[in-house]
Amino acid sequence: DTAVSQTPKYLVTQMGNDKSIKCEQNLGHDTMYWYKQDSKKFLKIMFSYNNKELIINETVPNRFSPKSPDKAHLNLHINSLELGDSAVYFCASSQAAGITGELFFGEGSRLTVL
Amino acid sequence: DAKTTQPPSMDCAEGRAANLPCNHSTISGNEYVYWYRQIHSQGPQYIIHGLKNNETNEMASLIITEDRKSSTLILPHATLRDTAVYYCIVSSGGSNYKLTFGKGTLLTVNP
Repeated sequence: DTAVSQTPKYLVTQMGNDKSIKCEQNLGHDTMYWYKQDSKKFLKIMFSYNNKELIINETVPNRFSPKSPDKAHLNLHINSLELGDSAVYFCASSQAAGITGELFFGEGSRLTVL
Repeated sequence: DAKTTQPPSMDCAEGRAANLPCNHSTISGNEYVYWYRQIHSQGPQYIIHGLKNNETNEMASLIITEDRKSSTLILPHATLRDTAVYYCIVSSGGSNYKLTFGKGTLLTVNP
């Protein structure tokens, strides 16, 4: 039973399209994150939500819009995809914002923009 | 959050202890030291974290120097499955709690 699951695992699409990646956690955590890992393998935080409220937004283009329908789900919608958006996107969760501890990561969603 | 410095790569023989160093000379009093690893094509995996005292769990030990300016992650008996990129991260809690990953150390465990 996967703790943090992302769909799809692989996504290949054309420039200019709009796509979404979904994330669900069954750990009962309050806080969820999106991280981006680019071709150089740098892992950078994009967004963080605590109990459906946006708490971290790290200089990400407006084409990226996270949505959290409830605290167990955090989806990432990307408009007008560009070549530079090609990356692996990781969803993660933690028990609560403000409490130090472990981040649980999903297996990643590899996005390829052609 | 304080920055960390790690060697880009290390090798270790299977069955031996792997000692991965990390410098965090600008760490502040409320910042924890975290270690994660990323096995190829997988999501990062939590290993251990600590504030001042040395810590041990089923995966590894974390040794933090008294001045807290550096730490060492010890995998006591490395296996081939421990080959991964290991990240040392320094972070405090608070409402903006997040982990900022650096380049990490690629540990290669050789048979």
